Amino acid sequence: NAGVMQNPRHLVRRRGQEARLRCSPMKGHSHVYWYRQLPEEGLKFMVYLQKENIIDESGMPKERFSAEFPKEGPSILRIQQVVRGDSAAYFCASSRTGTDPYEQYFGPGTRLTVT
Amino acid sequence: SQQGEEDPQALSIQEGENATMNCSYKTSINNLQWYRQNSGRGLVHLILIRSNEREKHSGRLRVTLDTSKKSSSLLITASRAADTASYFCATDEGGTSGSRLTFGEGTQLTVNP
Repeated sequence: NAGVMQNPRHLVRRRGQEARLRCSPMKGHSHVYWYRQLPEEGLKFMVYLQKENIIDESGMPKERFSAEFPKEGPSILRIQQVVRGDSAAYFCASSRTGTDPYEQYFGPGTRLTVT
Repeated sequence: SQQGEEDPQALSIQEGENATMNCSYKTSINNLQWYRQNSGRGLVHLILIRSNEREKHSGRLRVTLDTSKKSSSLLITASRAADTASYFCATDEGGTSGSRLTFGEGTQLTVNP
């Protein structure tokens, strides 16, 4: 039973380019969460999605960031026109549906470096 | 202070000693979870304690929760060099079908052989 998969593991982008981060949840999980971790800091919630729905995006920056979780395929976190401040580790987590507590399982993360 | 704030920020001990890390939070919670993160790696879920539980054990880990003081502690007994990592507490404020976790800044534990 594979865990949460994220790719790429490392991504280097120049300022102004777009970054696309992918997350495949664990089998049987239909809830996906994205978190960002700046160097030497804890994780900060960005967005919570279920299939084809954004449930909570209160942690997403208002501009340049978007997320989706289509009916088929992985969840995508998209950052347009990246800036140096976007350099961070981005973690995806998934949880099962309809079961409390909603224990979240994390992927290995994507480390984004903006040059 | 932030929700899910750990104390101390860093802890250095000798192998075989016990390590205690504390976490304080501000709001009502559904459950509190502890995670470990090795340098440059993802998070590993350690233990979850519900708001109606006071203590929980898992192997060498012991977690306590005091909802009246809005605090939790993680005790690692008989520490090993492999326990060297950052430890984070995360609070789940609950929701009807899943909810965000709010993480603290973490405690960096170093276990010296």
